[in-house]
Amino acid sequence: GAVVSQHPSWVICKSGTSVKIECRSLDFQATTMFWYRQFPKQSLMLMATSNEGSKATYEQGVEKDKFLINHASLTLSTLTVTSAHPEDSSFYICSAHATSGGIYNEQFFGPGTRLTVL
Amino acid sequence: AQSVTQLGSHVSVSEGALVLLRCNYSSSVPPYLFWYVQYPNQGLQLLLKYTSAATLVKGINGFEAEFKKSETSFHLTKPSAHMSDAAEYFCAVTPNQGGKLIFGQGTELSVKP
Repeated sequence: GAVVSQHPSWVICKSGTSVKIECRSLDFQATTMFWYRQFPKQSLMLMATSNEGSKATYEQGVEKDKFLINHASLTLSTLTVTSAHPEDSSFYICSAHATSGGIYNEQFFGPGTRLTVL
Repeated sequence: AQSVTQLGSHVSVSEGALVLLRCNYSSSVPPYLFWYVQYPNQGLQLLLKYTSAATLVKGINGFEAEFKKSETSFHLTKPSAHMSDAAEYFCAVTPNQGGKLIFGQGTELSVKP
């Protein structure tokens, strides 16, 4: 089946440091990946849409200079939280829009990354 | 603009009882609708989706949902709850398959023995 992995699954960092989160589609290609954040007991909030080979599209209110997104290949997108602060602590989830492998037009979610900024 | 409203942030049922989780949507175009389940500290798993092929959609784990255009609803049901169904459930809408999803607020389902 279609699997999306995220690495790391959890990370603890000091305030002011940068953290990179990887999102990979393991057995299918994804020209589009989405990044969400989820606060405890809340819903998923879309942060940005990542398109392979082009700049990401950010949702209103999301700082693109703080949340850097790179989608360099059809199977990998990265989210870098720059100069992280405690308020960036959250659960970050990616999803990948399948465009190959017989599962065209399905969106599959990664297991999430728990970020804690001290 | 599209939106989704889930009525009830928390639903509690007894094991073996009917599960009904409510979802109403707003969309100016024919929507694609989804139900996802999330277990603690995990990503989302697709339960079922409506893509205009059939109004009654059957999903995994015995869940089903009915698309009712006149009521702008897409409620999720399961005839008999199991303890393992306890989780957070999200309804989502998108104007096109593979497009960005707009999620509802989520409903936490508790199942009592």
